[in-house]
Amino acid sequence: QVQLVQSGPEVKRSGASVKVSCKASGYNFVSYGISWVRQAPGQGLQWMGWINTSNGNTYYTEKYQGRITMTTDTSTSTAYMELRSLRSDDTAVYYCARVISFWGQGTLVTVSS
Amino acid sequence: EIVMTQTPLSLSVTPGQPASISCKSSQSLLQSDGKTFLYWYLQKPGQPPQLLIYEVSNPFSGVPHRFSGSGSGTDFTLKISRVEAEDVGVYYCMQTLQLPWTFGPGTKVEIK
Repeated sequence: QVQLVQSGPEVKRSGASVKVSCKASGYNFVSYGISWVRQAPGQGLQWMGWINTSNGNTYYTEKYQGRITMTTDTSTSTAYMELRSLRSDDTAVYYCARVISFWGQGTLVTVSS
Repeated sequence: EIVMTQTPLSLSVTPGQPASISCKSSQSLLQSDGKTFLYWYLQKPGQPPQLLIYEVSNPFSGVPHRFSGSGSGTDFTLKISRVEAEDVGVYYCMQTLQLPWTFGPGTKVEIK
């Protein structure tokens, strides 16, 4: 069955970077893109961007451009999302999703000043 | 950017009664090939979102038959024929016609 398993919770200081991983299994990793979505505490869902797992092409929403990098390691079927220059309002649960169908369990990133 | 709106933003439903959520997009989600890229999700408390309906009206694998989607162009509806206790959570619509993909604000459904 399709599974996306994300890395564990992170606590970071303002200005630091975080890299969240998303390991896929149960399907051909390079056949589907990976989206990243974040959800601040008590808030709705915000789509951050997408990576084409077959060629590495990315799309980042304007809000995150310059601070975000999405990558993949096709040898381990793992996608990564790195967010830099963290601020307190980056505190959120970060989800990966196979395009938009199957979702990871989420990774809580807490940014403290 | 396509803006998605949902009404109502919250809904309290008696078990066994129907429920309906509306989603509107700021522009048509119909692509030239005839597909319409509108999706519905349910996020149960403490869980990631789960896909209910894809391309307006197609139930995703394993979704109970009481969930149905309809609509076209810019106006869409999710219906629950008979609400059950396990249906509580926040329902989101989402469009993937145009980058950036965007979600509606969510509709919180609770049981009376």
